[in-house]
Amino acid sequence: SQKIEQNSEALNIQEGKTATLTCNYTNYSPAYLQWYRQDPGRGPVFLLLIRENEKEKRKERLKVTFDTTLKQSLFHITASQPADSATYLCALENNAGNMLTFGGGTRLMVKP
Amino acid sequence: NAGVTQTPKFRVLKTGQSMTLLCAQDMNHEYMYWYRQDPGMGLRLIHYSVGEGTTAKGEVPDGYNVSRLKKQNFLLGLESAAPSQTSVYFCASTHGIYEQFFGPGTRLTVL
Repeated sequence: SQKIEQNSEALNIQEGKTATLTCNYTNYSPAYLQWYRQDPGRGPVFLLLIRENEKEKRKERLKVTFDTTLKQSLFHITASQPADSATYLCALENNAGNMLTFGGGTRLMVKP
Repeated sequence: NAGVTQTPKFRVLKTGQSMTLLCAQDMNHEYMYWYRQDPGMGLRLIHYSVGEGTTAKGEVPDGYNVSRLKKQNFLLGLESAAPSQTSVYFCASTHGIYEQFFGPGTRLTVL
């Protein structure tokens, strides 16, 4: 069955460092992968989309990589700030291409 | 432009009661989705719709029904609530199979 894995343990880093979050998947052949941010008590907010033919995508301090051979995406936040503290979710389209499946999310805590 | 709104924000039900959650979007999106989010489980798709008058089952549809009579509205119904349906419910919409816009969520407790 299709499975998406994100580290369920919180990631604690110091302000100014680079945060790296991992999303691994099995039994998918997604054409694209998405990352969302979720703050406590709120709905997820879209951050980035990367297609299968794109190795890397950047948006301001965010960088996403997509390795379809390893079946893995890495999400980087450079020069992290306490305001970056949130839960980050990765999402993949299902093989039928009509819906997204979300990973369980990784909570990031950036300490000043 | 309100985006995606959900009604109500909070609700407490007793086992066996019924209720309807309303999702509305003002972005003229074709696709709408209902998810539930439980601790450690991530977002799980309940039902979705690819256009007015259409609905389809997601990953966890049992115990729920939906209707999309108008393009801007997507209703989620619980006919006979069970404690296992205690969760936070999110609605989302999108133009196509790209970024989804989420509502603020409905926190439901079933006693």
